[in-house]
Amino acid sequence: AQKVTQAQTEISVVEKEDVTLDCVYETRDTTYYLFWYKQPPSGELVFLIRRNSFDEQNEISGRYSWNFQKSTSSFNFTITASQVVDSAVYFCALSEAGYSQGGSEKLVFGKGTKLTVNP
Amino acid sequence: DGGITQSPKYLFRKEGQNVTLSCEQNLNHDAMYWYRQDPGQGLRLIYYSQIVNDFQKGDIAEGYSVSREKKESFPLTVTSAQKNPTAFYLCASSILPQGTEAFFGQGTRLTVV
Repeated sequence: AQKVTQAQTEISVVEKEDVTLDCVYETRDTTYYLFWYKQPPSGELVFLIRRNSFDEQNEISGRYSWNFQKSTSSFNFTITASQVVDSAVYFCALSEAGYSQGGSEKLVFGKGTKLTVNP
Repeated sequence: DGGITQSPKYLFRKEGQNVTLSCEQNLNHDAMYWYRQDPGQGLRLIYYSQIVNDFQKGDIAEGYSVSREKKESFPLTVTSAQKNPTAFYLCASSILPQGTEAFFGQGTRLTVV
């Protein structure tokens, strides 16, 4: 069965600090997709990134970067020089074999990490 | 603008009543999903649908029902059989095939009074 663990329930940092949010996943599939979503206080989940299991390249997008390591089943998210606007709950999610392969496309979410960036 | 619209934003229900949460998308997405969010619990899948007139139970389907008569619409009914319905409900949609990101609505906060 697939599972996503976000061990950090809450993190509090001061503005301009770097912060890393951890995500560890479990799956039996060789083909899978990993996602990060941001949930601001308004409630809507905002898509941040998708990574497939065959692409272990790290990705950087502005102040955001992601480190995918299959050897440790981890997909960690780092925010560099954090800002108050980064305060939100961040979710890591996993999707296994898709519709075309008899799967369901459904996402399994971790419990989320609440990040508070203080001025 | 394309997106997912959930209504209402806030909903109050008396015990024993059924209520229906609306979810409409104009993204032409095949798949639609309902998730429930409780504090500290993350998101849990209630129902999902990949094609019109077909849907499957998720992990916590008991006490809920859905329909998918149109591609754009996936309403969720919270029945009186759901013992603890107070929660934040999120609807999502995605295109197929696999691995595409899901887009979420702004959610409906349901409170039992």
